[in-house]
Amino acid sequence: AQSVTQPDIHITVSEGASLELRCNYSYGATPYLFWYVQSPGQGLQLLLKYFSGDTLVQGIKGFEAEFKRSQSSFNLRKPSVHWSDAAEYFCARARWTGANNLFFGTGTRLTVIP
Amino acid sequence: DAGVTQSPTHLIKTRGQQVTLRCSPKSGHDTVSWYQQALGQGPQFIFQYYEEEERQRGNFPDRFSGHQFPNYSSELNVNALLLGDSALYLCASSLLTGTNYGYTFGSGTRLTVV
Repeated sequence: AQSVTQPDIHITVSEGASLELRCNYSYGATPYLFWYVQSPGQGLQLLLKYFSGDTLVQGIKGFEAEFKRSQSSFNLRKPSVHWSDAAEYFCARARWTGANNLFFGTGTRLTVIP
Repeated sequence: DAGVTQSPTHLIKTRGQQVTLRCSPKSGHDTVSWYQQALGQGPQFIFQYYEEEERQRGNFPDRFSGHQFPNYSSELNVNALLLGDSALYLCASSLLTGTNYGYTFGSGTRLTVV
């Protein structure tokens, strides 16, 4: 069965520090992987997605993620965190590009301290 | 260009009642999917509508039903509400075809069952 695991429930970083949020997916065929961000009271915004090709994916707001098949991981990174990045981050996967249902992880809450 | 619009933003219902949530998709999108996000959890796929028919369904009971109208807008109906149905309900619209996988999420409807 498909699953997405986000091992960190809550992460706190200082503003300006680097960030890495972890995401692991269960074994399966080529995964289609996504990172979404959710600010309080808001819907989900797509940060980036990976379907194939270059394993380092650039997204919006200065985020990037690296797909590592050997580790079944798709970790999200940002070199310098801004206070406005405080939010809930969700990793998700789909079975194929045409699949219309996403499997989400339980999310990682990011707190940014000044 | 309006994104996905959901109404109402909040509502409170009594156990056993029925509720209808509404969603207007992003302009140009023809597919609507519904997700349930319980507190502290990632969104879970309920079902998806295209061409006024349910195309895919997640692991939700028949108490959850939906409808899509010719203008692509959609409704989610939940009958015989349970306390456990309290959640944020997210609507996401997309284009069925193509590999440029792109959901646009609404801000959600917060349903509280008392």
